[in-house]
Amino acid sequence: DIQMTQSPLSLSADVRDRVTITCRASQSISTYLNWYQQRPGEAPELLIYGASNLQSGVPLRFSGSGSGTDFTLTISSLQPEDSATYFCQQSYRTPYTFGQGTKLEIK
Amino acid sequence: QVQLVQSGSELKKPGASVMVSCKASGYRFTMYPINWVRQAPGQGLEWMGRINTNTGISTYAQGFTGRFVLSLDTSVSAAFLEILDLQAEDSAIYYCSRDLVVPVGLNYYNHMDVWGKGTTVTVSS
Repeated sequence: DIQMTQSPLSLSADVRDRVTITCRASQSISTYLNWYQQRPGEAPELLIYGASNLQSGVPLRFSGSGSGTDFTLTISSLQPEDSATYFCQQSYRTPYTFGQGTKLEIK
Repeated sequence: QVQLVQSGSELKKPGASVMVSCKASGYRFTMYPINWVRQAPGQGLEWMGRINTNTGISTYAQGFTGRFVLSLDTSVSAAFLEILDLQAEDSAIYYCSRDLVVPVGLNYYNHMDVWGKGTTVTVSS
C-alpha cells in the first residue's frame, strides 16, 4: 500500500497568515493527490484534486502543488473558518490511502 | 443538487450485525463508484473499500475483508455497508462518498467530491 505522511500534525497560526501543509507519498503518485478539509463534527469536504485543481466553490486562498512524492497545500491568508483538520489522499491506486491529518488552529 | 443521505446512528451489541445505507440523489447513480471511509473516535480517515455501482463489483482494503460487505440497490440509488459480528473496535463514524472521475489534460483524476454526513455505529454490551 502507498503510505501518506503529513507534516506538521498540528499547527497554530494567526488570521491572515500564510500556512503550508506538506504531504509525502511512499512512492511516486504523479499528481494523483487530493486534499480534504474536515471541520469538527462534520464530514470531510474536497478542496483540491489532481494536486492543484481547485474544487468548485472552494475559496481562492486555497492552493495545491507538487508531483511525484512531495505535495503542499497552501492557505494564502488564513481565515477563522479555516480552523479544521486537513487530510491528503492518494488516488493513484487502490487501496486509497490518507495522510494522518493536520490539525490547524487559529491563534 | 447532488447529495448522499446516510441512515441514522446505530447502537449494537458485540456479535450483532449492522447495515448502513447511503442513498444518492441528483445524479445518475450508476455512473460513479461509492467509497466507504471509516473514522474511529478522534482518529483519521481510513478507506474501507469501493463498489462499482454499474457492475456491483467491490474492492476492499486489507483489514476490511470478511466481516465487511458492500452492496447496492440500484432501483433506489442506494449503497449499503454491512458489518457482521460487530466488535468494540468497529465503533466509529462511517462515511460514504462519491468517487468522481474528472479528465484534466491527459489524466483522469478520481476524487471524493460528495460525502454523506456519516453514520455513527457504537458497539457496546
